[in-house]
Amino acid sequence: NAGVTQTPKFQVLKTGQSMTLQCAQDMNHEYMSWYRQDPGMGLRLIHYSVGAGITDQGEVPNGYNVSRSTTEDFPLRLLSAAPSQTSVYFCASRRLGSSYEQYFGPGTRLTVT
Amino acid sequence: AQTVTQSQPEMSVQEAETVTLSCTYDTSESDYYLFWYKQPPSRQMILVIRQEAYKQQNATENRFSVNFQKAAKSFSLKISDSQLGDAAMYFCAYRSRVNRDDKIIFGKGTRLHILP
Repeated sequence: NAGVTQTPKFQVLKTGQSMTLQCAQDMNHEYMSWYRQDPGMGLRLIHYSVGAGITDQGEVPNGYNVSRSTTEDFPLRLLSAAPSQTSVYFCASRRLGSSYEQYFGPGTRLTVT
Repeated sequence: AQTVTQSQPEMSVQEAETVTLSCTYDTSESDYYLFWYKQPPSRQMILVIRQEAYKQQNATENRFSVNFQKAAKSFSLKISDSQLGDAAMYFCAYRSRVNRDDKIIFGKGTRLHILP
């Protein structure tokens, strides 16, 4: 198993550009989520999905879109990048319910200039 | 809404000594999980230890143990015999067992330095 994979690892964007952060998992996990990590702020939930075709907003969803067309993939789209979106982005997945462990991807460091 | 508070932004400990990281949380729920995650410089998030709220016994994983005080809503992490590889950011986290959204709420983290 590759676990949770994220691409790219690093990205620099100019203000106003759009891009998609890719996330994939091969563990057949129902639950997938995106977090952003900023210095002194911990991890904050952007969007999450409890299964294919189902997504919902987290704590900081503005400026981001997601979709979940398959169980394996959960891309995060930045429609018009802003400097405030400079951050490290983590994708995570796990099985729904009970005490299943959450698995994190390696993160994407995004800089918006 | 649930919140998780880590009041120590940074801590230092001498190698081989014991250190305790503090975490408090706020919730009106009675059934939940609490976690400690470690984030080394590699940036990878690693689960250190998990506690189920309905269990009175404190969780232990090798040199890592917790002091879970449910009434006080406190969940501290004790690291015994600290090693250089323990240097990292540590995050306390909360997850409800009641809510169907299965969200995890993180504290802001404590950066732990190990002094040789």
